[in-house]
Amino acid sequence: EAEVAQSPRYKITEKSQAVAFWCDPISGHATLYWYRQILGQGPELLVQFQDESVVDDSQLPKDRFSAERLKGVDSTLKIQPAELGDSAMYLCASSNRDRGSYEQYFGPGTRLTVT
Amino acid sequence: QKEVEQNSGPLSVPEGAIASLNCTYSDRGSQSFFWYRQYSGKSPELIMSIYSNGDKEDGRFTAQLNKASQYVSLLIRDSQPSDSATYLCAVTNTGGFKTIFGAGTRLFVKA
Repeated sequence: EAEVAQSPRYKITEKSQAVAFWCDPISGHATLYWYRQILGQGPELLVQFQDESVVDDSQLPKDRFSAERLKGVDSTLKIQPAELGDSAMYLCASSNRDRGSYEQYFGPGTRLTVT
Repeated sequence: QKEVEQNSGPLSVPEGAIASLNCTYSDRGSQSFFWYRQYSGKSPELIMSIYSNGDKEDGRFTAQLNKASQYVSLLIRDSQPSDSATYLCAVTNTGGFKTIFGAGTRLFVKA
């Protein structure tokens, strides 16, 4: 069964350090999403890609967060410098939106702890 | 007013009962509606999608949509302890460009 892959699964970092997360969507899915989920809340969209283009990054804190999907397949989300408030679950999802399916499938997530 | 609202719970039901989870949304032009199940410490898992008014059944799960009332619900029949999780309602906005998630309802099924 096709799955979204993410790494690492867990990351502990000190504040002011840089951290990066990687995501490989389901093969053939052109739309890729990065979400942040704080405990007790629903996922909040950080950035949405259609192929290699960013189509929504309105909620991405651009002073410290960056995201790229250079070849339109896998993607990297970076935080530099990390702050204590960045501790959360970072989720990657993909969908076949360009074929009319809005169903999103999530990877296992990366649990980030900033100390 | 939040864009997608759910009762945070916890909703507690005995094993074998019907669990009813509810969700309201604010964007009248929304077209696509989803229910995700999320176990503690895990990522969301898609369990149901519904696009038109009425009921959609899949095994023990039934999704119900009423666009006039801007209301979508999920019924879980013959609830099992393994159904204990947080259930997230997700709604796409007008045009289907963006998906908004509710904060989720915690369900606890007592054995």
